[in-house]
This record gives sequence, C-alpha cells and structure tokens, in this order.
Amino acid sequence: GENVGLHLPTLSVQEGDNSIINCAYSNSASDYFIWYKQESGKGPQFIIDIRSNMDKRQGQRVTVLLNKTVKHLSLQIAATQPGDSAVYFCAENTGGFKTIFGAGTRLFVKA
Amino acid sequence: NAGVTQTPKFQVLKTGQSMTLQCAQDMNHNSMYWYRQDPGMGLRLIYYSASEGTTDKGEVPNGYNVSRLNKREFSLRLESAAPSQTSVYFCASSEAGVSYEQYFGPGTRLTVT
Repeated sequence: GENVGLHLPTLSVQEGDNSIINCAYSNSASDYFIWYKQESGKGPQFIIDIRSNMDKRQGQRVTVLLNKTVKHLSLQIAATQPGDSAVYFCAENTGGFKTIFGAGTRLFVKA
Repeated sequence: NAGVTQTPKFQVLKTGQSMTLQCAQDMNHNSMYWYRQDPGMGLRLIYYSASEGTTDKGEVPNGYNVSRLNKREFSLRLESAAPSQTSVYFCASSEAGVSYEQYFGPGTRLTVT
C-alpha cells in the first residue's frame, strides 16, 4: 500500500447508501487479500478475505472484488450504517507469515 | 474468552529507557505477531512467531527483541527506547495454515520523550 502520511483518504456516505472502498496492491505474487476494520482506539478486526484464484467473495453486507489485471481490490458495504464508521485497511499476503497492510481509508457515515 | 490481551495500555518512556510489552492469547493459536502503527499509516510487522519456539524478523525489526515465552505469550522488548519508537503497538495471533485471519489486541500507546 502507498504511504499517504498523516492524511488518510476519506469516504463520506449517507446512512443507508452503499459504500465502495478501493485499494491498489503492489505485489503480483500476492496470493491472499484481506480487509480489516479499525474503530477508533481499538485493534483491527477481520472483515473478509479472498484468494487470488477468485474475483468475488460475499459476506454479510460486504462484498470483496479482486481485479488481478490492474492489481485492484475493493470492499463494498451494503446499506451502510453509523457503526460502519471506521478506518478500513486492505492487506496482502504471498502465502507466508508476512502480511503487508495498506495505509487505510477513513469511512464517515452521515446520519 | 478474552482473545488477545496486551499490557500496558499506555506507557511514557525517556530516551534510553527499556521496557517490555506483554501479549497473551487464549485461542490456542500457533502464530503470533507484533506490529507498530504510526499516524495515518497501516500496520508494519516488527517480529512474528510462526509457532512456539520460533521467532523471525518482519519489516521493521531494528531496535526490538521478542520472546515467545510459551504458546500463549509473546513479548516485545525495547532495550534502549528512541523517540522514533513512539507509536501504537499491536499484538496479533492467528491459526496460520488454516486461515490468514489475524486477531488483534487493543494496542499499547507508547510515547518516548
């Protein structure tokens, strides 16, 4: 992920709308991609993952899309709720113990 | 189950002081990790322990040492703290090989003056 310093990319959505958070990854050899959610003052929390042999995976209210051609990953959150407000990190792994985290995107949900 | 616990929650050190951050997990996970998180950045891996009895360097190991005391506990030591080590430190665990899902502790906020 790219180091964006102190200013995280920010996404602001209306409650009830769908959110799309995007991520560009760097390593073509990455085999495994993960999305984490981090609420203020807490540790990251696993949301969903996807293997490189898939292009879409759905969970509860969330969908992850993987485009290996352009090395792009996205997280879609359906019917966004105030409790979804957090920083969202994408992460990549080449199959070992080292997971590389992106800088994160801050999601604001407006009531 | 408490999951992953970390102590202390906050710590202020003077340059040159030493301290150990403690981490424990009660999920019977094989693998444990230490990360640091700086403002506006993602997490960077300091050290990890794939299984009890093994430790390996991550992306930013300089200035740190670790000990995998047993399957439950993984500690991080700063021998001579520097202002550049001011950060939030997270411990995590996973059942690697089954899932890459990592479970994180609540973090330790460390300030070095």
